[in-house]
Order: sequence, then structure tokens, then C-alpha cells
Amino acid sequence: TQLLEQSPQFLSIQEGENLTVYCNSSSVFSSLQWYRQEPGEGPVLLVTVVTGGEVKKLKRLTFQFGDARKDSSLHITAAQPGDTGLYLCAGPKNTGGFKTIFGAGTRLFVKA
Amino acid sequence: DSGVTQTPKHLITATGQRVTLRCSPRSGDLSVYWYQQSLDQGLQFLIQYYNGEERAKGNILERFSAQQFPDLHSELNLSSLELGDSALYFCASSVGVAEKLFFGSGTQLSVL
Repeated sequence: TQLLEQSPQFLSIQEGENLTVYCNSSSVFSSLQWYRQEPGEGPVLLVTVVTGGEVKKLKRLTFQFGDARKDSSLHITAAQPGDTGLYLCAGPKNTGGFKTIFGAGTRLFVKA
Repeated sequence: DSGVTQTPKHLITATGQRVTLRCSPRSGDLSVYWYQQSLDQGLQFLIQYYNGEERAKGNILERFSAQQFPDLHSELNLSSLELGDSALYFCASSVGVAEKLFFGSGTQLSVL
């Protein structure tokens, strides 16, 4: 069982469409991070959200942290083929030591 | 380029063998993390070191071990390899503990 559940698992859309992917947990997180991973590469950090209800924008990407700090969403406006990749949410957990755990990810494919 | 260097990039070996994966963190980063990524399990936390000391442990098998050396580079040793150990192994580094992670490009391990 994943502590961080991501949905959908897979998303294939046309260029120009909008989309939202979700990251949910039954646990409270002090912060959540979003990473993007492209084939053959390691994940790259996009953003960290810290405050409940926080909204952060990164060009066409909008990240939101839930009020209760148990969930987060990533909205992409007018998706482009360059947005294709695996989107991972991650958060710190202090069990057996302080570690960063990841959700299983949403694999996004944007068709030109 | 994240600044984290992992070698080798690809490794093909046979069941029962032992391999060593190497990671050089970003300059100035004291924490090194090891993750295993497979298609069915996602990105799984294995172990973390901070300034040479083990700080957190995940679902790391007893056949696997790691260490961080005085120059802060780290090695992940995998022994008695099984087919199921085939995966991408990522190293990440951060300045402190559970801060934003910078990932290397990974080592693709294939056990035949």
C-alpha cells in the first residue's frame, strides 16, 4: 500500500488540452513535492508546497496543497508534447528515520 | 545536469553475482539516498546516509548494503542477485535531511 496515492496512473491527451493529476494520502504531510521524470533520467524537482491551501504557479503548471495537508494536485494548462513524462509526488516521513517517500506516479503523454 | 554522478549507467549480470553501484553527490551535499525503481513498484526508498552515517532505512533487502565514505561518495552493494532485482537504481543527494532531492541518471541493472 502506497502512503501517497496518485491518480490517474496514466493519461494520454492532445496538445492544447488541460489536465489535473492528484496525489492523496490518509496521513498529514508537513510538505509535499512534485517531481517530473523523463525516460532515461532521474526525477527533477518542480515545486515544494508547505502551507495548507497553498497554490503555486510555474508557468502553465499550477500546484495546490490541500487545506488539511493530506493531498495535492497539479493542473497543467494547454499541455504541450514537452510536458510528457512521469509526474511524481513525494513527501517526508519520519518512520524508521527521516525519509522522502514517493507515490507511484502519473504517466502523462501529450500528443502533438 | 543535476550534479549527481552515478556509475555505471548500465549493468548486465547473472543471478547469484554481486555488483557495486557508485554515486558521487553534488558538491556540498551531505546526504545521499538510494532508491529502486521498477515498473510494478515505483520509486522505493532503500537507505539514506548523512555525512557518513546511516540515517534512515527503507525496504532494503539483507542482500543489499550501502556505505558513505569520508569523501561523501556512496556505494550500494547488491549480492546474491536474483532476477527480481532487475530495476533502475537511483542515487539522490541533498544538503541536509529530507530537503529537496537531486537525482542522478540512475543505473539500469539487468539480472539474467
